[in-house]
Amino acid sequence: EVQLVQSGAEVKRPGATVKVSCKISGYTFTDFYIHWVQQAPGKGLEWMGRVDPEDGETKYTAKFQGRLTITADTSTDTAYMELSSLRSEDTAVYYCATGGLDVWGKGTTVTVAT
Amino acid sequence: QAVVTQEPSLTVSPGGTVTLTCGSNTGTVTSGHYPYWFQLKPGQAPTALISDTSNKHSWTPDRFSGSLLGGKAALTLSGAQPEDEADYYCLLSYSGARVFGGGTKLTVL
Repeated sequence: EVQLVQSGAEVKRPGATVKVSCKISGYTFTDFYIHWVQQAPGKGLEWMGRVDPEDGETKYTAKFQGRLTITADTSTDTAYMELSSLRSEDTAVYYCATGGLDVWGKGTTVTVAT
Repeated sequence: QAVVTQEPSLTVSPGGTVTLTCGSNTGTVTSGHYPYWFQLKPGQAPTALISDTSNKHSWTPDRFSGSLLGGKAALTLSGAQPEDEADYYCLLSYSGARVFGGGTKLTVL
């Protein structure tokens, strides 16, 4: 069974950096991309970017360019989403999903507040 | 960046049929955009319904189907059930970058 287990909720101050993890099991980690999706309160889904665990190649949406880093650690079958220079509008649930976007993690709530 | 458009809201009667659409400001949506459809309910992670225009997952109820219609991607629900009340999002691919539509709030009433 394919499972994506995400790290726990985070509370951060404005200007800080958050790093969310997504541990994959049930398939070969390097076979598929890992995507990250943001859902802000009362807002829709926003695709943030993805990583190819095979070679670490990434693609990001313009909105997060410069603040977003997505990585993949093949030694632990874990993907990471790091968002820097946090602001209040980054308060959201962040999801990871497999390459086919068919299996999703349960989401990680990130709250940015003073 | 491309903009993907969906109807903000739709209403369907129980047992009725409704079609949700997904357009692109870059022009006609084709199979090359690999349209995906997701269902989102409060407090839950998105559930993938349709991939690559019309492919259903093993868990996708038969009453959902995907297609291309009038230059857009379409999700048709035939025989709506109360549990289908949810938000629905499409996702298009643009040379590997993905863009979600704004979502359609579907009411079954």
